[in-house]
Amino acid sequence: DAGVTQSPTHLIKTRGQQVTLRCSPKSGHDTVSWYQQALGQGPQFIFQYYEEEERQRGNFPDRFSGHQFPNYSSELNVNALLLGDSALYLCASSRDDDTEAFFGQGTRLTVV
Amino acid sequence: EDQVTQSPEALRLQEGESSSLNCSYTVSGLRGLFWYRQDPGKGPEFLFTLYSAGEEKEKERLKATLTKKESFLHITAPKPEDSATYLCAVQAGWDSGNTPLVFGKGTRLSVIA
Repeated sequence: DAGVTQSPTHLIKTRGQQVTLRCSPKSGHDTVSWYQQALGQGPQFIFQYYEEEERQRGNFPDRFSGHQFPNYSSELNVNALLLGDSALYLCASSRDDDTEAFFGQGTRLTVV
Repeated sequence: EDQVTQSPEALRLQEGESSSLNCSYTVSGLRGLFWYRQDPGKGPEFLFTLYSAGEEKEKERLKATLTKKESFLHITAPKPEDSATYLCAVQAGWDSGNTPLVFGKGTRLSVIA
């Protein structure tokens, strides 16, 4: 079992650019959640996808958007990047009928 | 608003020196409390889920316990490889589907040989 995989592992973008991060859930999982983790902080919930729909959303601006595909994989898009968007972006997958969530290794985004 | 507070922020132990990490929480109906381990620059690694007060779970040198207001992660005779940040999170509500996790800031544990 490959577990939750995220790509890329690192990337550097310039302010104002757009970025797309990708996540493949653990086998058998149908729910994908995205979190942002700033240095020295706990992860903050961005949004959750289930059945290709955004089911819940945290306190993040509309610049953050996402998508879930029929194979349950997911993308996180961030437009008009700000320096403050620099963080570790984490994808977590779970089964809709189960509370336990498993995380990927994260994507380290640096905005310069 | 659901909240999680972890203490201490950082803890330095000698190898073999047992201790406990604290996670205090307020939540509107606890669905589950989770402990994760996170190594620098990596994603959180799942350790335990606790569902009700009085529940305990063990894994190697780690033991997690839960009361109605807090959870403890006890580390017995730690080794240097136990050095990591330990994150506590709660999941609230009883609606169908998975509600998001609310995390604390973590406790940074260093175990010195």
